[in-house]
Amino acid sequence: DAGITQSPRYKITETGRQVTLMCHQTWSHSYMFWYRQDLGHGLRLIYYSAAADITDKGEVPDGYVVSRSKTENFPLTLESATRSQTSVYFCASSDDRSGNTIYFGEGSWLTVV
Amino acid sequence: DAKTTQPPSMDCAEGRAANLPCNHSTISGNEYVYWYRQIHSQGPQYIIHGLKNNETNEMASLIITEDRKSSTLILPHATLRDTAVYYCIVRVAGEDTDKLIFGTGTRLQVFP
Repeated sequence: DAGITQSPRYKITETGRQVTLMCHQTWSHSYMFWYRQDLGHGLRLIYYSAAADITDKGEVPDGYVVSRSKTENFPLTLESATRSQTSVYFCASSDDRSGNTIYFGEGSWLTVV
Repeated sequence: DAKTTQPPSMDCAEGRAANLPCNHSTISGNEYVYWYRQIHSQGPQYIIHGLKNNETNEMASLIITEDRKSSTLILPHATLRDTAVYYCIVRVAGEDTDKLIFGTGTRLQVFP
């Protein structure tokens, strides 16, 4: 089915491990985003991308790495996971700039123990 | 960057109109106002967006003041399923990139 999908949906990992969260969209949208949402709080932007091979930092980029080699994929990597990175991670995409709807994935629940 | 402020919570009786306010006093002329909602930690769901004119769709209406410094999302006949956190977002456009800055969100509780 067309849309934006995230994987894994649920992940438990240990402190210091590398974790990659995948995001895939089938609309060929130019823009993609990664947000995190801590329990009881709003969404904070981690990284975003305007097109393949173009990425930029958001509000809370420390501890995260992204890449965008293909338009449809935008993986988020935690190179050395910490407990403070326990959160729900949402990927989003949109076509073009202001005025176009942004679509969100269902989220990836990550627990770092 | 433009930012938004919203009341932290609101209540609404089922069947009545829910009016959710949002302040965005530093909004620029080419920035859109978006509304999303999030039900119980699911992915945020798009509701509506606008630039200057009032907008209406099957879900809601968006009223933007003439000076564009504030807006109101109207759910005309709230149902229990509308209980959610509602986010008012100003979409900020940069040179080659674009990003969303979320507001604090309003937790709307619809009661029977």
